[in-house]
Amino acid sequence: SQQGEEDPQALSIQEGENATMNCSYKTSINNLQWYRQNSGRGLVHLILIRSNEREKHSGRLRVTLDTSKKSSSLLITASRAADTASYFCATDNTGFQKLVFGTGTRLLVSP
Amino acid sequence: DTGVSQDPRHKITKRGQNVTFRCDPISEHNRLYWYRQTLGQGPEFLTYFQNEAQLEKSRLLSDRFSAERPKGSFSTLEIQRTEQGDSAMYLCASIQPGQNNVLTFGAGSRLTVL
Repeated sequence: SQQGEEDPQALSIQEGENATMNCSYKTSINNLQWYRQNSGRGLVHLILIRSNEREKHSGRLRVTLDTSKKSSSLLITASRAADTASYFCATDNTGFQKLVFGTGTRLLVSP
Repeated sequence: DTGVSQDPRHKITKRGQNVTFRCDPISEHNRLYWYRQTLGQGPEFLTYFQNEAQLEKSRLLSDRFSAERPKGSFSTLEIQRTEQGDSAMYLCASIQPGQNNVLTFGAGSRLTVL
């Protein structure tokens, strides 16, 4: 069964706006990762944050992690139509990359 | 090497038939994973290999499923006597441990069981 729950399930915004997605998980973790999946395709890794980190940036992406609340958020700034995809958080609590994925957020960015 | 390759990309079969999927990981990656993703859900772990050794199998992997990685390079996932509930995307991923702990996923093999 899946550990992570993501919120919202779907998000629709205009180009240039920011998109925020939230992820909650259930057990202690080594790291939390975010992946993007375009329709019917494989997953592309976006960013990894370790359990001892609280915030991480990569380009237009900002990830936060609150281990006390077992939650993470992904912020995409200045969104583009090309950001339209499903976004998944995934936790690793084994150190062997046996990832447990959330249910995903479907993001639609309209021109 | 351009990434993780999976074949076929799409397979349509009738219930009761056997199907086999192949995954070619990035050549220097010694760890290989299989995940299954049903429509509208996130991927779920099935099994993984370190070189040719299968180290762990999920309870999702019933006895109709078998995975191999005979020479520690490509891997196959076979489903025998397919059922409609097997319809899903089967994703393969690989990693070289120590390299940022990040999996590289293939594009997936979509199975439709009629």
